[in-house]
Amino acid sequence: EVQLVESGGGLVKPGGSLRLSCAASGFTFSSYSMNWVRQAPGKGLEWVSSISSSSSYIYYADSVKGRFTISRDNAKNSLYLQMNSLRAEDTAVYYCARYVSSWSTFDYWGQGTLVTVSS
Amino acid sequence: QTVVTQEPSLTVSPGGTVTLTCASSTGAVTSGYYPNWFQQKPGQAPRALIYSTSNKHSWTPARFSGSLLGGKAALTLSGVQPEDEAEYYCLLYYGGAHPWVFGGGTKLTVL
Repeated sequence: EVQLVESGGGLVKPGGSLRLSCAASGFTFSSYSMNWVRQAPGKGLEWVSSISSSSSYIYYADSVKGRFTISRDNAKNSLYLQMNSLRAEDTAVYYCARYVSSWSTFDYWGQGTLVTVSS
Repeated sequence: QTVVTQEPSLTVSPGGTVTLTCASSTGAVTSGYYPNWFQQKPGQAPRALIYSTSNKHSWTPARFSGSLLGGKAALTLSGVQPEDEAEYYCLLYYGGAHPWVFGGGTKLTVL
């Protein structure tokens, strides 16, 4: 069974940093691209970042570029999002999602972790 | 700034049929945008329903179907059930440095 479990969310002050993790199981993690998607309270979904299976290709939304860094450790079946210079508008539930390139779809999603940026 | 537009809200009666659409600010949506549709219920993670315009995941109920309609991506629910009340999001692929853009979502009410 495919499982994605996010962790690392919490309350952080503006300008602070946080590192999110996504633990994957039930599939060959190293064969799939992965994504982070976020959802501000009461708002819609926003794609944040993508990383290819071997980390060769990395993309960011303009809203986070230069502040967030996506990475992965295929040996640990884990995806990460290092978030620096956090702003109030980064407050959201952050989801990791598996990407199936042959279908061009985000098929499995984690349950999300809440990041709150507030003084 | 690319914008993907969906109806903010729609209402349908149980057993009825409703079509949700997804438009791109760049022009007509084609299969090359690989339209995806997701369902999200309150307090839950999004669930994938449709990929690459019209393909269903193994868990997608048969009453959900995807298509291209009048230059937009479309999600049609036929024989709507009360449990279909949810927010629905489309996702389009633009390639390049910012490959994916979500629509703003459609809140579907079954009444």
